[in-house]
Amino acid sequence: RKEVEQDPGPFNVPEGATVAFNCTYSNSASQSFFWYRQDCRKEPKLLMSVYSSGNEDGRFTAQLNRASQYISLLIRDSKLSDSATYLCVVKNLGGSGTYKYIFGTGTRLKVLA
Amino acid sequence: EAQVTQNPRYLITVTGKKLTVTCSQNMNHEYMSWYRQDPGLGLRQIYYSMNVEVTDKGDVPEGYKVSRKEKRNFPLILESPSPNQTSLYFCASSLGTGFSGELFFGEGSRLTVL
Repeated sequence: RKEVEQDPGPFNVPEGATVAFNCTYSNSASQSFFWYRQDCRKEPKLLMSVYSSGNEDGRFTAQLNRASQYISLLIRDSKLSDSATYLCVVKNLGGSGTYKYIFGTGTRLKVLA
Repeated sequence: EAQVTQNPRYLITVTGKKLTVTCSQNMNHEYMSWYRQDPGLGLRQIYYSMNVEVTDKGDVPEGYKVSRKEKRNFPLILESPSPNQTSLYFCASSLGTGFSGELFFGEGSRLTVL
């Protein structure tokens, strides 16, 4: 089983639709969670961190469910410019003060006019 | 402007010709890392560094070397490149402290080994 798993999609949705992605992680001790956005052949950019209480930034809402070990991203009122790949990232603490970022393979979203 | 800078952005080389991809960050970040991204495989970590003179292998270190002599720089060295190292490479850095600490990425270096 992969440490971080995402549905690769693509999710094809019309403009204005609401779309949700889930990401599951296998390490119950994972400490930090992030959603990144990556446009084709460009660098990943932070969309939002995911906090235990859930958080919202405009049309984007992120949730963390530790019991079931998944995080989610909800996009409301989808725009054409939301078309991208969304990467789930989990930060795990290791021994001796080390840590590691684990990436999902990404979920591709296409918003259609 | 806070940024991670990689060079070169694009490179075509031949098998066996040593090359170095430079990475520099101006945010005084402790943590730096190299990733490669291949279709269907996502981002895979090559090497990372927790601080100056501290480096460790990631998931796919074979064929690569790194060094961290200064906090701001973390070059990736391919001593004898092979075609299976053709990929898109990203350098990233983070503050490294505590549980938070988002990763900041460079713009990527697209390497082709013939």
